[in-house]
Amino acid sequence: DGGITQSPKYLFRKEGQNVTLSCEQNLNHDAMYWYRQDPGQGLRLIYYSQIVNDFQKGDIAEGYSVSREKKESFPLTVTSAQKNPTAFYLCASRVAHNTGELFFGEGSRLTVL
Amino acid sequence: DAKTTQPNSMESNEEEPVHLPCNHSTISGTDYIHWYRQLPSQGPEYVIHGLTSNVNNRMASLAIAEDRKSSTLILHRATLRDAAVYYCILRVNAGNNRKLIWGLGTSLAVNP
Repeated sequence: DGGITQSPKYLFRKEGQNVTLSCEQNLNHDAMYWYRQDPGQGLRLIYYSQIVNDFQKGDIAEGYSVSREKKESFPLTVTSAQKNPTAFYLCASRVAHNTGELFFGEGSRLTVL
Repeated sequence: DAKTTQPNSMESNEEEPVHLPCNHSTISGTDYIHWYRQLPSQGPEYVIHGLTSNVNNRMASLAIAEDRKSSTLILHRATLRDAAVYYCILRVNAGNNRKLIWGLGTSLAVNP
């Protein structure tokens, strides 16, 4: 079945460590996105990629980094510079940027101790 | 940025219609209205979207007020599987981009 796979589902890390969240899609979508979800707030866009080897900052990119070396994969690294990293992270994709509905993964919950 | 306002929570009975309201009084003429829903422990899923006219699909209907300052998502017969958080979202133009502005959502409970 086509879809988006995020891993791990739950992740615990100590303060000051970088962590990388995986996002893989087999939908043949060009565009991929990372969102952050916090209680009491709407989803906020961290980074997005319109095509392989290209990515753009979203509204809250500080403390995060991404890469897009393959069409299927868009990993997100939460660096130690991110001041409040504990959150639910959602990866999404769609056919092309600004086109079509978003398809989301099941999310990764990061807790920094 | 234009934004949306939704009730925090609503309750419905199984097999009855549900009307989920959304206010977006600062919407501009080119902003689309999107709805997504998020089931527990899952990512959001697309429900429906529209610009000016009412829209129907297999999941729901979207009724948009004539002045476009509000809209209503209609689930015609609620089932237990419809219990979720429903997000009303504006898709706005931001330079060459189109940006999604997510609301806080309405948590819908469906009683058997």
